[in-house]
Amino acid sequence: GDSVTQMEGPVTLSEEAFLTINCTYTATGYPSLFWYVQYPGEGLQLLLKATKADDKGSNKGFEATYRKETTSFHLEKGSVQVSDSAVYFCALGFSGGYNKLIFGAGTRLAVHP
Amino acid sequence: ETGVTQTPRHLVMGMTNKKSLKCEQHLGHNAMYWYKQSAKKPLELMFVYSLEERVENNSVPSRFSPECPNSSHLFLHLHTLQPEDSALYLCASCPSDRGGNYGYTFGSGTRLTVV
Repeated sequence: GDSVTQMEGPVTLSEEAFLTINCTYTATGYPSLFWYVQYPGEGLQLLLKATKADDKGSNKGFEATYRKETTSFHLEKGSVQVSDSAVYFCALGFSGGYNKLIFGAGTRLAVHP
Repeated sequence: ETGVTQTPRHLVMGMTNKKSLKCEQHLGHNAMYWYKQSAKKPLELMFVYSLEERVENNSVPSRFSPECPNSSHLFLHLHTLQPEDSALYLCASCPSDRGGNYGYTFGSGTRLTVV
């Protein structure tokens, strides 16, 4: 079945370090791909998305490119801040029906000054 | 007010109590979802409503009872809960006619503690 696999956390970085959080997927069709972020005590917020192969989603300095050949959607940021500390979820979704999203397990990021 | 609003933000209830969680959205979306988020476990999809009809129930115990009276409101009625039901309950919505390209808008959640 369709699924999303994320790298296990926690990921611990110093401020201004480069961030990569890996995400790979298994899907029978052509899904859209999403990254959500969850700050402590809050719900999930959409961070970025890509709807077709080779699309790049970007927001707040974060980027991810939809790679069909490697079935991946890795999240990157060139210079993290303490305020980026959160849990990041990769997800995939298909058109039609009620648009069910399939989420990965989440990766916790901790950024230290 | 825009977005998805969940009330209450925090709830402590005894195992014999009856309570309800409320979710409200003013985004014009017509699909709504309940998720359970427990510590160190993946997000669990509980219920899906599309156009006010329940379209999915992922083997959720009957002590959880959803209600969707209209496309803007979603409730989760709770009764005779167990301590393992303590979790963050998240509501989400999306425009079901816009395909899987859109993604969900989430509320801030209700932190439930069963004592």
